[in-house]
Amino acid sequence: QKEVEQDPGPLSVPEGAIVSLNCTYSNSAFQYFMWYRQYSRKGPELLMYTYSSGNKEDGRFTAQVDKSSKYISLFIRDSQPSDSATYLCAMARTTSGTYKYIFGTGTRLKVLA
Amino acid sequence: EAGVVQSPRYKIIEKKQPVAFWCNPISGHNTLYWYRQNLGQGPELLIRYENEEAVDDSQLPKDRFSAERLKGVDSTLKIQPAELGDSAVYLCASTPREGGTEAFFGQGTRLTVV
Repeated sequence: QKEVEQDPGPLSVPEGAIVSLNCTYSNSAFQYFMWYRQYSRKGPELLMYTYSSGNKEDGRFTAQVDKSSKYISLFIRDSQPSDSATYLCAMARTTSGTYKYIFGTGTRLKVLA
Repeated sequence: EAGVVQSPRYKIIEKKQPVAFWCNPISGHNTLYWYRQNLGQGPELLIRYENEEAVDDSQLPKDRFSAERLKGVDSTLKIQPAELGDSAVYLCASTPREGGTEAFFGQGTRLTVV
């Protein structure tokens, strides 16, 4: 079983829709939870990171962490065609005093104009 | 502020040939990572540097891969000899400090081994 599971999609939605992207994880040692956006042929770009359970909002983006269920989500409100990209979840845990990051496989999102 | 710079952007080589990738992290970032990203997958860590010291190279296939970060700034990743299965995007990332969660990625080098 992978430490981080993410549905690869693709996910197609109409412009203006609310998008929900999710990841589950199996290791309760993860402490930091991140979402990256990756456009085609580009490197990942950090969107948001959270440390604790709960919600964190930044503009049209909301990150949600539920440690009890080992489940994280990214919500995108009023989705735009420019949001079309692959969204990667990532998690970090300490090992031997340093941080180890594990990425999900990414979910491909297409927002249709 | 310039971001993480990687070169080349694309590389096509025949199997058994050597290849090298170069990364210049963001100025002042002490932590540097090399990741490999296969098609349809998330990045997987190859090696992590704190300044010039490789502190996590457990996932680096040491029989053919090597890396260095002289003077704790630029880094190179080398494969010798390359195999067909090495075709992937090689990403470099840096963070301002050890354990920093805000990793900044370069655009990657897309390697195709034929």
